[in-house]
This record gives sequence, structure tokens and C-alpha cells, in this order.
Amino acid sequence: QKEVEQNSGPLSVPEGAIASLNCTYSDRGSQSFFWYRQYSGKSPELIMSIYSNGDKEDGRFTAQLNKASQYVSLLIRDSQPSDSATYLCAVNKGAQKLVFGQGTRLTINP
Amino acid sequence: DAGITQSPRHKVTETGTPVTLRCHQTENHRYMYWYRQDPGHGLRLIHYSYGVKDTDKGEVSDGYSVSRSKTEDFLLTLESATSSQTSVYFCAISEQRPYEQYFGPGTRLTVT
Repeated sequence: QKEVEQNSGPLSVPEGAIASLNCTYSDRGSQSFFWYRQYSGKSPELIMSIYSNGDKEDGRFTAQLNKASQYVSLLIRDSQPSDSATYLCAVNKGAQKLVFGQGTRLTINP
Repeated sequence: DAGITQSPRHKVTETGTPVTLRCHQTENHRYMYWYRQDPGHGLRLIHYSYGVKDTDKGEVSDGYSVSRSKTEDFLLTLESATSSQTSVYFCAISEQRPYEQYFGPGTRLTVT
């Protein structure tokens, strides 16, 4: 079992709809969770951090964490073509290290 | 890119030659990391540093060494490059909490 798993996609969503990206992790002791966005040929960019159960909203982005189910998700409301990218889920592994999922490629169709 | 630069940005080298990649930060962050990113494997940690002269191995450290003589610089060395080390290399930095990591622009390395 991989430490952090994501559906690789591609996930195709019409413009204006809600994009839902999911991530599961194996280490129950994980405390910190992150979503990165990576455009093709660019470096990962941190877009959301979440540390406690529940929802955290930032603009059009909402991160959801459920530690009991070892599940973290990212919702993108009113999806725009500029949201087309690969989204990486990362989980703190302790000792200041992160483990990354392989990423979900998201395409927003105009 | 949060005050992080990487050099060179692109490099082509031959098998068996030594290669050094440099990461420079202006944020005075304690922790620095080197990752490689390959299709089908995602981001994998090579080495990281938790202070000047303090480094540790990541999951794919074989064939790589690192050094950190100053807070702002973290060097990654391929002692004898192999074609399997063709990849995109990213440097990242973080503070102790809240563990968020910020990435540099990356170096695309091709070993022929």
C-alpha cells in the first residue's frame, strides 16, 4: 500500500462546476496535510494546508480532512480553465518530511 | 518561488561525469530538501538538511551526496552521473512549523 494515494486521472470537469480531488493516506499518526498545484513544466505551488478535522476554505478552494477515515480532499468551486493542472497531495511523515502522492491531473473544459 | 533559486536550470551531461546542482534561499529557513520528479513516481525525497552541516538521507539517496556549509545554500552532487538520474530536480525549504514546504523552480538534468 502506498503511503499517499491519489487517483491519477485525468479528471475532466466543465467550466463553472465543482472539481473534487481525493487523497488517502496510510499513517494514522500524520498531523499535517497539504495540497499543491503544479502546472506543466513548473514547480509545485502550495495552495492549501489543513491540520484538523473538518473543512478549511480559502477563496474557491476548500480542503476537507477526516482523520478517522484517513482521507483528505480538495474542492474547487466555479472551476476555471486556469485551474487545469496536476494537484499533489502531501502528508507530513514526521521528522520534518513530507510524502507526496503521485498527483491527479485535472482538466477544466470551457 | 519564496526566495529560492536553483542553478543551473537546465543541464545536459554525459554518463560518468560529476554534476553539482545548487539551491540558494533568501528566507533563512532551517530545513532544505532535494527531490526528484519522474513520470509514474511523483516527487521523491533524495536528501534533506535540518541545519548547517546536518543532513540525512531520503528514500532515493543512492548515487547522490549533499552538503550544506551555509544556511542559504544546499548542494546536490551526482558523483558519477547515470542515465537513470535523468530527471527534474526540485529544491524545497521549510521552517519547523507548520511544516509547509516551498519549492524552487527546478533543474532539468539530462544524462546522455
